[in-house]
Amino acid sequence: QVQLVESGGGVVQPGGSLRLSCSASGFTFSRKGMHWVRQAPGKGLEWVALINFDGSDKNYADSVKGRFTVSRDNSKNTLYLQMNILRVEDTAVYYCVRESDYGANPRNWFDPWGQGTQVIVSS
Amino acid sequence: EIVLTQSPATLSLSPGERATLSCRASQGLYTHLAWYQHKPGQAPRLLIYEASTRATGIPARFSGRGSGTDFTLTISSLEPEDSAVYYCQQRSNWPYEYTFGQGTRLEIK
Repeated sequence: QVQLVESGGGVVQPGGSLRLSCSASGFTFSRKGMHWVRQAPGKGLEWVALINFDGSDKNYADSVKGRFTVSRDNSKNTLYLQMNILRVEDTAVYYCVRESDYGANPRNWFDPWGQGTQVIVSS
Repeated sequence: EIVLTQSPATLSLSPGERATLSCRASQGLYTHLAWYQHKPGQAPRLLIYEASTRATGIPARFSGRGSGTDFTLTISSLEPEDSAVYYCQQRSNWPYEYTFGQGTRLEIK
């Protein structure tokens, strides 16, 4: 079955950097777009970034544009999120999410989701 | 930017009751809206896509309806395991950006 396993979370000081990874299995990784979605403490879900199947197209939420970079290595079935110039407000659980297999445009929806990795930005 | 507004913020109901959750969009979405269930400590789960189609494995007690700017998620007969936060979600036109509603917390008494 499809599995998405995030890693790389931790505690970092404001202004620091962190790289998240997401190891994918159970599907043809090189054929699916991928996303990062986050949830700050006590808040709702916030989409962070997307990358298309071959990495040629990317987009970001305004809140992270210019600081975060999404990438992928299809030979390793792995998705990445490089997070630079981290702020306290970037503290959140970060989820790796695949575009769905559903509907006329599967890229509209998120399915499945990983279990998430915690990022804490604090001095 | 399209804003999704969910109501109510919190809902407290008993097992067997019917739950109706609302999601209102600031612009018309046709039927391009999804619903997710999120339980504490778990990964969110896709319930409904295209406003009314259940994802694979989702029980029939979950149903969605609506188009344009007004959408509802109905849980026909609540089970204790339905306690969760429910989010609606849409995708804007190119460049693709995605937004979620602020969530409705459903508590089963």
